[in-house]
Amino acid sequence: ELKVEQNPLFLSMQEGKNYTIYCNYSTTSDRLYWYRQDPGKSLESLFVLLSNGAVKQEGRLMASLDTKARLSTLHITAAVHDLSATYFCAVDAGSGTYKYIFGTGTRLKVLA
Amino acid sequence: EAQVTQNPRYLITVTGKKLTVTCSQNMNHEYMSWYRQDPGLGLRQIYYSMNVEVTDKGDVPEGYKVSRKEKRNFPLILESPSPNQTSLYFCASSLSGLAGGKFFGPGTRLTVL
Repeated sequence: ELKVEQNPLFLSMQEGKNYTIYCNYSTTSDRLYWYRQDPGKSLESLFVLLSNGAVKQEGRLMASLDTKARLSTLHITAAVHDLSATYFCAVDAGSGTYKYIFGTGTRLKVLA
Repeated sequence: EAQVTQNPRYLITVTGKKLTVTCSQNMNHEYMSWYRQDPGLGLRQIYYSMNVEVTDKGDVPEGYKVSRKEKRNFPLILESPSPNQTSLYFCASSLSGLAGGKFFGPGTRLTVL
């Protein structure tokens, strides 16, 4: 069974600090996605990582993908309050299907 | 404006009363899919469609039906809703099944009494 696990599930951090969210998956897929969801809102696509070693950066967020380790990271640099949200990773199931599997999400709260 | 729309946004219904949640996208995307979001369980895929007349089950298809007669529309049908289908539902689309992040609709909050 394909599993996508994120940790931590909850993260409370001070403004200005750095932290990393981890996404482990069990499929052989080499395509991984990161999304952001604000409370009461829909999901917004942040990053699309399509190959081993891919690195994408947008502002204070940087995502990377290691397909050999089946691991993606979302690194937060010098956090600000506006980054408070829930972050999800997702993977294509692969193996001849087009299923899409989400991680459980990481609820991030940045304290001023 | 590129968007995915869902209707209704909120719905309260009773057990067994058939309902349809509509989903439409204006980006000429081939891939469309439905998800439900439940506290502690994250988002789980219900059904997806690779193109017109091509649909397949996601992880939690029981109790749901879909159809894809037109490229832009992908309605979710609950023939006989039950309380365990109370959830927040999202429709999403992407250019294809294996490329790009998904564009998500605003969500439909369904309560089945």
